[in-house]
Order: sequence, then structure tokens, then C-alpha cells
Amino acid sequence: DSGVTQTPKHLITATGQRVTLRCSPRSGDLSVYWYQQSLDQGLQFLIQYYNGEERAKGNILERFSAQQFPDLHSELNLSSLELGDSALYFCASSVGTRQQETQYFGPGTRLLVL
Amino acid sequence: GEDVEQSLFLSVREGDSSVINCTYTDSSSTYLYWYKQEPGAGLQLLTYIFSNMDMKQDQRLTVLLNKKDKHLSLRIADTQTGDSAIYFCAEYGSSNTGKLIFGQGTTLQVKP
Repeated sequence: DSGVTQTPKHLITATGQRVTLRCSPRSGDLSVYWYQQSLDQGLQFLIQYYNGEERAKGNILERFSAQQFPDLHSELNLSSLELGDSALYFCASSVGTRQQETQYFGPGTRLLVL
Repeated sequence: GEDVEQSLFLSVREGDSSVINCTYTDSSSTYLYWYKQEPGAGLQLLTYIFSNMDMKQDQRLTVLLNKKDKHLSLRIADTQTGDSAIYFCAEYGSSNTGKLIFGQGTTLQVKP
């Protein structure tokens, strides 16, 4: 158990819908990262937040957005869902933002768009 | 650019050693990581190596780093069926953030 929690574990929805994925980082960690794992793209970095502020952006679509709240939990919002958004979405956390800080991953949310 | 390459599949017999290879492109990476993903599960950090090291040993795991060739390997001694999983190597992206760049993952199949 990494200490990072994600809800829900599974999500099934229809095209055009909007969903929210939730992540609680390890106690004491200020950075939260979101990654998408799909069959065709592999594991891709989406976005990073540090202490409530956006720190880095990766291959995140405009239809997707995220935020980190004062209690440090984070939410990833996916809207106008398409079939290709079906994937496993991971959240990770680390203490800060330096490269030597290990990222600990949650169990992921498996999203299926029908 | 930032790219991490791994072979996709490795099959070994129980008790043999497994060697999973990875090449990376960003020579400025300070840390390189190995993660393990079991079926239906999240990513578990296995080990990491700092870029000024050539080798790191952790029980059955040995990580070798060749900085000149930008080559990283993970050796698992006495491979067990419970080691069957997907193994990802990862480096940090060149920008000064925590963005991890992952390889495609190597599926390790351990036959009894």
C-alpha cells in the first residue's frame, strides 16, 4: 500500500459525459501528479500540482482539467468523453518537486467510455 | 527529445535470472527508476539508481547503469512466478519538474 488513494476504482460512462476522478496523496506529500495509461499511448504524464498550484503540464487534452485543494487532495475532471479516453488513470504523490523525490502511485481509476 | 525504450516481452523459467533492459535519452536525468505493475494493480516502486552510480543491489534486484550508452538494466535473481508482471523503467523529463517519462513496459513471464 503506497498511501495514495484514488476513487472510484472503476467508472463506466457514455460518450459525451463528464466524470471526476479523485486522489488523496500520502500524508505530508505536497505534490500530486496525474498519469494516463492506455494501450496505444502507454503511460503518459498529464499534469502536476504542488501545494495547490499547477506546476507542470504534459499531454493533457483541453477537455481535461485538474485542481488541487487546500487539503491537498486533487481531482481530475474529464469532459466531453470520447471512446479513446478509456484508460487507467493514475495519481502519484511526492513530498515536493525535486527530481530525487520518489513518486508513489495510487491503485488507479479504470475508466471505460462506451 | 525525451524517450525511454524497452523490449516488450521476456520469458524465463522459475529459478533463472531475468534481465530487463532499457535505454533513455536524457543525459541530465539524475535518477532512474524501475516500477512494477501486477495485473489489475497500480505501479509499485521497485528500486532506483542515482546517475552517479554504476550499480545498485537490493536483495534479488541488481540495477546496472551505463551512462555512456544511456543504458539501464534490471536483473532479478532466482526469478519466481510471483515476479510475473510488467516492469517499467522511468526517467525524469528534462524540464525542472517531477514529470516522469516511462518506457513502454516489459512483460515478464515466469514459467514454472
